[in-house]
Amino acid sequence: EAGVVQSPRYKIIEKKQPVAFWCNPISGHNTLYWYRQNLGQGPELLIRYENEEAVDDSQLPKDRFSAERLKGVDSTLKIQPAELGDSAVYLCASSLGSNQPQHFGDGTRLSIL
Amino acid sequence: AQTVTQSQPEMSVQEAETVTLSCTYDTSESDYYLFWYKQPPSRQMILVIRQEAYKQQNATENRFSVNFQKAAKSFSLKISDSQLGDAAMYFCAYRNGGGADGLTFGKGTHLIIQP
Repeated sequence: EAGVVQSPRYKIIEKKQPVAFWCNPISGHNTLYWYRQNLGQGPELLIRYENEEAVDDSQLPKDRFSAERLKGVDSTLKIQPAELGDSAVYLCASSLGSNQPQHFGDGTRLSIL
Repeated sequence: AQTVTQSQPEMSVQEAETVTLSCTYDTSESDYYLFWYKQPPSRQMILVIRQEAYKQQNATENRFSVNFQKAAKSFSLKISDSQLGDAAMYFCAYRNGGGADGLTFGKGTHLIIQP
């Protein structure tokens, strides 16, 4: 089966510009997660979706970050405007549901100039 | 809130030898899961092994095994017969049971395999 697909793999932008990341989960996986991984750290959860509903977005900086999962399949994470501290790897993961392992994509490495 | 601590930023082992990576965690929950993930330079997180807290038996996956000490809140990973392909960052992670919560990760241990 195809894994979790993320694009782009790399993104370089200037501060204050907008940026968006895209994630296509494994087919049939209802739960989708976005994580942010800062350099030298473990990933930190930003938001979790059950189908199209965001059920945990408590760690998402809502002043500049937004996410959507229309139709409960693909998801987009957006930052507007980007700040220097947003430089990180953004990972998407999906799982079949409760108590099932999470499968991760390759991530998008964001660099802010 | 749950926390996961990995106290070894870097470990080095000779090829074919055994290495143990340490992890401790803190939680007030009784139902939870623990995981070890491997992240090579390609960045994709790969699940190595998982342990259900209610199971007393330590999980094993081929050359990978864990030592789960629930009372001590310790969850170490043992890699036997280390191979060059084992070189990567290893992350210990925690998740509450009973749902699809996000994972709480430690800071990781960089494992170096010496040929």
